[in-house]
Amino acid sequence: GAVVSQHPSRVICKSGTSVKIECRSLDFQATTMFWYRQFPKQSLMLMATSNEGSKATYEQGVEKDKFLINHASLTLSTLTVTSAHPEDSSFYICSARDPTSGRIYEQYFGPGTRLTVT
Amino acid sequence: GENVEQHPSTLSVQEGDSAVIKCTYSDSASNYFPWYKQELGKGPQLIIDIRSNVGEKKDQRIAVTLNKTAKHFSLHITETQPEDSAVYFCAASSPFNDDMRFGAGTRLTVKP
Repeated sequence: GAVVSQHPSRVICKSGTSVKIECRSLDFQATTMFWYRQFPKQSLMLMATSNEGSKATYEQGVEKDKFLINHASLTLSTLTVTSAHPEDSSFYICSARDPTSGRIYEQYFGPGTRLTVT
Repeated sequence: GENVEQHPSTLSVQEGDSAVIKCTYSDSASNYFPWYKQELGKGPQLIIDIRSNVGEKKDQRIAVTLNKTAKHFSLHITETQPEDSAVYFCAASSPFNDDMRFGAGTRLTVKP
């Protein structure tokens, strides 16, 4: 089945620094990838949708200059949290869609990245 | 945009009993309804999904029903086992939007 990986799984950084999270589709090419944020005991909130080779579409209220998304290839999307602050601490999850499969709606989720900003 | 509501927020059952989780959606154009299971510290895992052209789908102990008229869908887990304990999310997706909206989640606890 379709597998999505994320790296790193956990990261701790100091306030003011930037952190990059990678999302890879391992056995398929993903023209569309999604980035979600999840606070403890809460649901997944869509942050942005990224399409390979074009600019990401951000949800209302998500700062595009703070959460930089790059989808430079069909198997890799990156989320960079710039000038991180403690309130950015959260669980970040990516997902990808395989357009070549018959399941055009299904999203395959990565294992998530736990970001802690101290 | 789409709004998905999910109930209950927590559910505790005895091993072997059935568990039912219900969701409603607002966008009549939504046509894809997946259910995800999320264990602590992990990403969501798809357990079953249904398209709007069918009313029910079953996979072993798990079933999903869809009522398009009422705009609600439900997850049914029979013969629950302790390993079914997790947070379950419903979601809805429309062909006119490229994204998926999630319910608030249900924390299911199966007591041995």
